[in-house]
Formats: sequence, C-alpha cells, structure tokens
Amino acid sequence: DTAVSQTPKYLVTQMGNDKSIKCEQNLGHDTMYWYKQDSKKFLKIMFSYNNKELIINETVPNRFSPKSPDKAHLNLHINSLELGDSAVYFCASSLKGSGEEKLFFGSGTQLSVL
Amino acid sequence: AQKVTQAQTEISVVEKEDVTLDCVYETRDTTYYLFWYKQPPSGELVFLIRRNSFDEQNEISGRYSWNFQKSTSSFNFTITASQVVDSAVYFCALSEAGSARQLTFGSGTQLTVLP
Repeated sequence: DTAVSQTPKYLVTQMGNDKSIKCEQNLGHDTMYWYKQDSKKFLKIMFSYNNKELIINETVPNRFSPKSPDKAHLNLHINSLELGDSAVYFCASSLKGSGEEKLFFGSGTQLSVL
Repeated sequence: AQKVTQAQTEISVVEKEDVTLDCVYETRDTTYYLFWYKQPPSGELVFLIRRNSFDEQNEISGRYSWNFQKSTSSFNFTITASQVVDSAVYFCALSEAGSARQLTFGSGTQLTVLP
C-alpha cells in the first residue's frame, strides 16, 4: 500500500484552465504539505496543514488554493493556470509537523501548462 | 531565516570512487534538524538520514556516512565505493524546532556515477 499517494501523476493542460491535484496519506499523520519543484530541481514549500488547519502559507499566488477535507487528504486546486506553473508538485506528510520528523513524499505530479 | 547551500551543482565520478557531497546551513535557532533526501531518476524523494542539532556524532550506514560539524555549520554526506545506482539528485534540508517548522531544501547536487 502506498503511504502517500497523489493523482494524477501527469497533468497536461492549456493556459487559463483550472485543475486539481489530489493527495491522500494512510500513515495516520497529522500534518500534510505541498512542495513545488521547478525545472532546476529546486524544492520549495507552498503550504502546510496540521489537523486540517493551515500552518504555513508561503508566498504563493492566490490562484493556488489547498483544501483539506480531513487529516488524511490535502488537495491542491489551481485556477487560471499559467505557463510558469509548470513544475512537479509533491505532496508530503509527517506525524506532528514539529519540524523534527522526516517527511514522507508522494511520487509527484508533473504539471505541464501549454 | 534558515538557509541551506549545496555549492556542488553536479558531480561525476567513476564507479567505486568515493564521493562527498557538501552541505552548509544557516539558522538562528539552537534546536534544529538536518536531513538528506535522495531523488533518483524515477523522481520520488527518499529519506536517507535525520540529525538533530545536539547530536554531532557521525553516522555510518553501509556505504553511506555523514559528518555533522556545528563549528562549520556543515552536514556533509560521503558515499564510499560508489555504484551506478547511486546516481541521483541529493538534497540536504533543514528544519527549525521553533515557529518555522518547515523543511527548507538546498538546491541539490546531481551525482552521476559512471560505469
């Protein structure tokens, strides 16, 4: 069983469209994250949720909206997609979000905006 | 603010050579955690090790070893007798125990091990 699963693995879409990426973890963790990896492999945190509450919200355009219906899910919705949104998006989870735990990552979603 | 620097963008070695990946960090916290993650060509991120700021003991796990030195704010990673399967991007990362609590990654080092 996959610990952190995100779908879809690949997403190709046109500029201006709205799309969602789903993430689920079956580890019983309290904290979930979204990271963005750009074309130069640089990984940067976007959001963090602890027990369904937003903890970290880095400087991300408000076209990006995370939704956490429960502790096991953290979905990412993106409105009005732009070319610069093309990247790999990783979902992750950790037990408490205290900073000391390792993160478990999903396998990534490769988003290509045409 | 926390910062992680991996000055080596790319390294190429021949199989069986030893290789060291450098990591230098900046933080104002006295309690923090350092990590290494591996990203093979398949793209997933794999946890390798975690160290807390109070534990400067070096660690060895098979062909992997880590050298943590607070005096130089470094947490270097050495692979002994490298293998082709070690080819990957390696990320060093830092998180603080205080209010930040977020994992900040270095820019990664692409390691290529040639047969």
